Amino acid sequence: DGGITQSPKYLFRKEGQNVTLSCEQNLNHDAMYWYRQDPGQGLRLIYYSQIVNDFQKGDIAEGYSVSREKKESFPLTVTSAQKNPTAFYLCASTRQTGNYGYTFGSGTRLTVV
Amino acid sequence: QKEVEQDPGPLSVPEGAIVSLNCTYSNSAFQYFMWYRQYSRKGPELLMYTYSSGNKEDGRFTAQVDKSSKYISLFIRDSQPSDSATYLCAMSAPYGNNRLAFGKGNQVVVIP
Repeated sequence: DGGITQSPKYLFRKEGQNVTLSCEQNLNHDAMYWYRQDPGQGLRLIYYSQIVNDFQKGDIAEGYSVSREKKESFPLTVTSAQKNPTAFYLCASTRQTGNYGYTFGSGTRLTVV
Repeated sequence: QKEVEQDPGPLSVPEGAIVSLNCTYSNSAFQYFMWYRQYSRKGPELLMYTYSSGNKEDGRFTAQVDKSSKYISLFIRDSQPSDSATYLCAMSAPYGNNRLAFGKGNQVVVIP
């Protein structure tokens, strides 16, 4: 079955540590997105990529980094510069145009300990 | 003014009632309108998709788009406890970067 796989489902980070969230899709979608979801704030776009080896900052990119070396993969690194990383992170993908909607992964819950 | 406004206030209804959700938007270029359903600690899933104005029905769900008022609605008939979730509206324009603009989501609780 085609879909998006995010791993891990739960992740704990110590202060000052970088962590990487995985996102893999086998839908042959061109564009991929990372969102952060906090209670009462909706979805906020972190980074997006419309083509391999290219990506753009979203609305809240500070403290995050991404890479897009393969069409299927779009990992997100939460760096130590992100001061409030505890949140639910969602990866999404779509065909070249987002007008048909996004397919979302099941999310990663990141907690700072 | 935000591009998409959705009242996030929790909505509690008794089982069997009609649930009515809505979003307003400011960008007249939006042509594609969607509703996503998100269960707790899960990713959103596409529930309804509508192009331009009009109504679309799928089982107990009806999506309405009124472009003249920049207003979209989702109705859930004969609501069930399994409908308890957060519902997000989303929309996009046919040109530009094709990014979806999302509402904040509306939490719905259906009480048995």
